[in-house]
Amino acid sequence: SQTIHQWPATLVQPVGSPLSLECTVEGTSNPNLYWYRQAAGRGLQLLFYSVGIGQISSEVPQNLSASRPQDRQFILSSKKLLLSDSGFYLCAWSEDGAVHEQYFGPGTRLTVT
Amino acid sequence: GQSLEQPSEVTAVEGAIVQINCTYQTSGFYGLSWYQQHDGGAPTFLSYNGLDGLEETGRFSSFLSRSDSYGYLLLQELQMKDSASYFCAVRDDYKLSFGAGTTVTVRA
Repeated sequence: SQTIHQWPATLVQPVGSPLSLECTVEGTSNPNLYWYRQAAGRGLQLLFYSVGIGQISSEVPQNLSASRPQDRQFILSSKKLLLSDSGFYLCAWSEDGAVHEQYFGPGTRLTVT
Repeated sequence: GQSLEQPSEVTAVEGAIVQINCTYQTSGFYGLSWYQQHDGGAPTFLSYNGLDGLEETGRFSSFLSRSDSYGYLLLQELQMKDSASYFCAVRDDYKLSFGAGTTVTVRA
């Protein structure tokens, strides 16, 4: 069966510090991968998606970036965090062609202080 | 771009039926998905309508009308564990765009 891992679960970082969140998927090949951010009590904002290694599409211009160095690994990064980067970051995967059915990791709750 | 509207909150008693409506404006529409998210948890997939009509999955059903740009999620025989946020999401070629979510509160 497929499993998606995200770490860390919680993170408190000062403004201006770098960020690296990692997501890995097991039990499937060539998945579509997604990064979302969710503000408290709000919907999910798609940040990046990837349909293959090295293929990244950005949905929202901001100080975040994403990389997919391996088929089942998706990394979200920032060189300098802003207060507005605080939120719940969720990684998700889907089968290619089944974009409507996404499976989410447990999420990382980021607080920028 | 995409625009979705769904009610922000719904409250009902155990055993009742709740309908969560979702209207959308989008280009490149493939279908409508529904997700459930309990407080502090990750969203989980509930159902998908790629064609007009009703899809039934146990106590939950989802409906789509492409001509009306409208869909709904029907929760029947409400249970306390159904207290959660419910999101509709429109699918295009490569991604989902989510609505702001509807918080469903089930009272005893």
